[in-house]
Amino acid sequence: DGGITQSPKYLFRKEGQNVTLSCEQNLNHDAMYWYRQDPGQGLRLIYYSQIVNDFQKGDIAEGYSVSREKKESFPLTVTSAQKNPTAFYLCASSSAPGHPFYEQYFGPGTRLTVT
Amino acid sequence: DQQVKQNSPSLSVQEGRISILNCDYTNSMFDYFLWYKKYPAEGPTFLISISSIKDKNEDGRFTVFLNKSAKHLSLHIVPSQPGDSAVYFCAASADTSGTYKYIFGTGTRLKVLA
Repeated sequence: DGGITQSPKYLFRKEGQNVTLSCEQNLNHDAMYWYRQDPGQGLRLIYYSQIVNDFQKGDIAEGYSVSREKKESFPLTVTSAQKNPTAFYLCASSSAPGHPFYEQYFGPGTRLTVT
Repeated sequence: DQQVKQNSPSLSVQEGRISILNCDYTNSMFDYFLWYKKYPAEGPTFLISISSIKDKNEDGRFTVFLNKSAKHLSLHIVPSQPGDSAVYFCAASADTSGTYKYIFGTGTRLKVLA
């Protein structure tokens, strides 16, 4: 089955620790995205990548880092510099970010709790 | 600055009746709009879209209306079913330095009562 997997579903970390969230897709999509969802807020774009070895900052990139070494994988690292890391993180992919309409396929999400 | 707004955080509708979810936007450069549906602890799934050159798009029980002069779009679900209970996000796309990115609204939680 084609799709996007995110692991783990729930993640707990102590404050001050970096943590990496996994995102893998087998849809052969060029573009991948990371969003963050907080209660009462929409999905906010953290980073996106249109092609392997290239990525751009989204609207709230501070305190996060990404890499795109393989087409299928786009891991997100939440660093200790992120002031409010507790949130629901969603990864997505799409085939044609250069067009006005492109359907984004989302993974099931990872809920990160930092205490 | 919230460019895409869903001013109703929640909506309850009786099964079989019409559900109307609203979305307002501020950027007149948006040229494509989408609705996503999200169940708890899952990622959003695409529901329906509309281009700015149209004012209506239908897909089964779902219809999206676009009023460009009012910068307003709405999603109609007729008839509403209990399985439609979810959070609905509207999203708008705009060209940002040659790449189209989506701006999402804050979501409306729909509850369809049996």
